[in-house]
Amino acid sequence: EVQLVESGGGLVQPGRSLKLSCAASGFTFSNYYMAWVRQAPKKGLEWVATISTSGSRTYYPDSVKGRFTISRDNAKSSLYLQMNSLKSEDTATYYCARGNWERSFDYWGQGVMVTVSS
Amino acid sequence: DVLMTQTPVSLPVSLGGQVSISCRSSQSLVHSDGNTYLHWYLQKPGQSPQLLIYRVSNRFSGVPDRFSGSGSGTDFTLKISRVEPEDLGVYYCLQSTHFPYTFGAGTKLELK
Repeated sequence: EVQLVESGGGLVQPGRSLKLSCAASGFTFSNYYMAWVRQAPKKGLEWVATISTSGSRTYYPDSVKGRFTISRDNAKSSLYLQMNSLKSEDTATYYCARGNWERSFDYWGQGVMVTVSS
Repeated sequence: DVLMTQTPVSLPVSLGGQVSISCRSSQSLVHSDGNTYLHWYLQKPGQSPQLLIYRVSNRFSGVPDRFSGSGSGTDFTLKISRVEPEDLGVYYCLQSTHFPYTFGAGTKLELK
């Protein structure tokens, strides 16, 4: 069974940093692209980052480019999101998701809440 | 960025009924590899999104055949027949042809 479990969320002040983690199990982690998708309270979904199988290629929307960094440790079956210079508009539930060859996200974690507030 | 426009925003339905959700993109979703990367998700209340349909018309594992997707280019539709209580929630389309990937704003399926 595919499982994705996020951790590391919490309350953080504007301008500070936070690192999210996602522990994967139930599949060969190194064979899949991985991604982060977020959802602001009562809002829709926003794609945040994608990383290739080896980690050599990463992709971001302009809203987080230069502030967020996606990374992975295939030996630990873990995905990370380093978030720097956080803004109030980064407040959201962050989901870890598995990418597939169809370029969709087929499995999602339960999400972790990040609140950026002073 | 590709703008994904979903309609309607809210969709009242009776159990056993049939509904359609539209998703239109601001530019063609045909990739240079010839595929169209348009997908549909359902987010049930209090849950994470779940994949229903990938690449326009392919049902994901375990998704009942009451769900069907169609369309091409910039115009796509999700149809749900014989609506059941577990189908209620917010439906999103996602395009992954072009970076940045973009979602529609969502369609809330609710009981009449």
